[in-house]
Amino acid sequence: GENVEQHPSTLSVQEGDSAVIKCTYSDSASNYFPWYKQELGKRPQLIIDIRSNVGEKKDQRIAVTLNKTAKHFSLHITETQPEDSAVYFCAASRRGGTSYGKLTFGQGTILTVHP
Amino acid sequence: DTAVSQTPKYLVTQMGNDKSIKCEQNLGHDTMYWYKQDSKKFLKIMFSYNNKELIINETVPNRFSPKSPDKAHLNLHINSLELGDSAVYFCASSRGGSGANVLTFGAGSRLTVL
Repeated sequence: GENVEQHPSTLSVQEGDSAVIKCTYSDSASNYFPWYKQELGKRPQLIIDIRSNVGEKKDQRIAVTLNKTAKHFSLHITETQPEDSAVYFCAASRRGGTSYGKLTFGQGTILTVHP
Repeated sequence: DTAVSQTPKYLVTQMGNDKSIKCEQNLGHDTMYWYKQDSKKFLKIMFSYNNKELIINETVPNRFSPKSPDKAHLNLHINSLELGDSAVYFCASSRGGSGANVLTFGAGSRLTVL
């Protein structure tokens, strides 16, 4: 089955700095890679996703890059703000068959942005 | 209106008891899921149902029995609760087709087994 490794487990930055979180996956058939943000005591919420036919996607201060050959993808947050502090999860999945809609999550990264 | 709602939000119970968590979605999605988040925050799929049919069962002990009376509801019943069942259980839903992987999560149900 799919295995997703996420690093670092904790990340501390100063407000205004950039933050980068990296994930690797094992299943070359995976073709969908979302990122979820989970604030303390809240539900995970999708912040950005990328499909395997795209190498990079950007939405305001967040961007995701995908390297299919190396089987890794990264989340980049620029100009971080204290409200970006949360746990971030990467995930991987493939469509179809018995894996329909199944997300395999990374272990999570606790991001702390200091004012 | 809450898109994916689950009850109860908190559940404290003794070992050996049986408990249920209910989930409802009003998004018109075809697929619903149960995910478990343990004390280390690790999120892992337990079950998924598509139009009331079981699609994924991730080697979960048979003490856990999901039930989907219709595609808007997915309940989770747990028999003979154990200490290790303490976790936050998240219900989620997604639509079919190209959106099958895009999950909307409920607020979670924190289960504590004493």
